[in-house]
Amino acid sequence: DVKVTQSSRYLVKRTGEKVFLECVQDMDHENMFWYRQDPGLGLRLIYFSYDVKMKEKGDIPEGYSVSREKKERFSLILESASTNQTSMYLCASSFLTGSGANVLTFGAGSRLTVL
Amino acid sequence: ELKVEQNPLFLSMQEGKNYTIYCNYSTTSDRLYWYRQDPGKSLESLFVLLSNGAVKQEGRLMASLDTKARLSTLHITAAVHDLSATYFCAVDMDTGANSKLTFGKGITLSVRP
Repeated sequence: DVKVTQSSRYLVKRTGEKVFLECVQDMDHENMFWYRQDPGLGLRLIYFSYDVKMKEKGDIPEGYSVSREKKERFSLILESASTNQTSMYLCASSFLTGSGANVLTFGAGSRLTVL
Repeated sequence: ELKVEQNPLFLSMQEGKNYTIYCNYSTTSDRLYWYRQDPGKSLESLFVLLSNGAVKQEGRLMASLDTKARLSTLHITAAVHDLSATYFCAVDMDTGANSKLTFGKGITLSVRP
């Protein structure tokens, strides 16, 4: 089974701190994604990457950056955390099948609280 | 901008009865996905629908896709408690290597005795 591992399940940070959320996948997937999940808003795409050192903005990239130095690792960075970034962060990876399907496999999530 | 709408957002179901939930999207796409999320857990893939008229079934759940109407339905047959979860649909905006999924807000199903 594909595994997507997020390094921290729960984090508590203070406003203004720099925060790193790490995600590692073990199945050689090309694509990796960061979403945030908030009650009543569903999942919203922050950034995604389809290759090493490549990144694309999603729907809500403001206040975030990402890094993909190795194929298996995709990091989400909050340069200066703010209270409105308190959320559940979900990492996912995928590859395109021959039929064009892009099925995401999600990690367990990282719940970030910014005080 | 692609919009994906699910309704209703919450559904209380009675055990043994049939229900249908809906997923509408705003732009042309023939790739739609259904995911399930249990409380406190992450999302798991349920169905992949890749063409107009596609139908997939797994146990008491059946999903279908009408790309002309930009509508997917998830039909639940004889609801049981194990089906209580939040169900998300997601639509591919692009095809090819830069494909990314846009999710709906999710529908929370609760099955009562």
